[in-house]
Amino acid sequence: GIQVEQSPPDLILQEGANSTLRCNFSDSVNNLQWFHQNPWGQLINLFYIPSGTKQNGRLSATTVATERYSLLYISSSQTTDSGVYFCAVGLDEYGNKLVFGAGTILRVKS
Amino acid sequence: DADVTQTPRNRITKTGKRIMLECSQTKGHDRMYWYRQDPGLGLRLIYYSFDVKDINKGEISDGYSVSRQAQAKFSLSLESAIPNQTALYFCATSDPRDGNYGYTFGSGTRLTVV
Repeated sequence: GIQVEQSPPDLILQEGANSTLRCNFSDSVNNLQWFHQNPWGQLINLFYIPSGTKQNGRLSATTVATERYSLLYISSSQTTDSGVYFCAVGLDEYGNKLVFGAGTILRVKS
Repeated sequence: DADVTQTPRNRITKTGKRIMLECSQTKGHDRMYWYRQDPGLGLRLIYYSFDVKDINKGEISDGYSVSRQAQAKFSLSLESAIPNQTALYFCATSDPRDGNYGYTFGSGTRLTVV
């Protein structure tokens, strides 16, 4: 089956620093999403980005589908950015069934 | 009220017991999912349903069953719980007509099997 690999597995930042999280996937996909799981366990959808670039405030994401990777950029990090960031890819025709990577644990220190 | 509500939030049960986790949604989405989260493994798909009459196995369906009682309700059952089913369980909904697929997760049910 498709493999989804995220790097780095762990990241510690000082508040205000920037970071880049990477997601590599082993096959063509028609759906790629980034999620944030906060320290209380809640999962929030950040981006739907099968290709191209999107920005939402301090977060932006870029997917290069032909090279099978996606990047999530966090600028001017805040302590509230802490948590786990998951990349997930959709397999079926409509991209509904998601396969998740293992996640990147981010800790932002004040 | 939350868009996707899971009950219970936490549950401890004994090996061999039958347990049901419930999920209800107010999003109006047809598509509903049950995922399991284990440390270091991300989330894995257990079952999914694209409408009331449609039930499909996911990646790790063995030991689980589901029931789609209505568009808004999707429950997950463990017929005879075992300790390696200890995990965090998430229900989710989606709608492909939504620009973001509208993926919405419940708050999760933390299940411990002793």
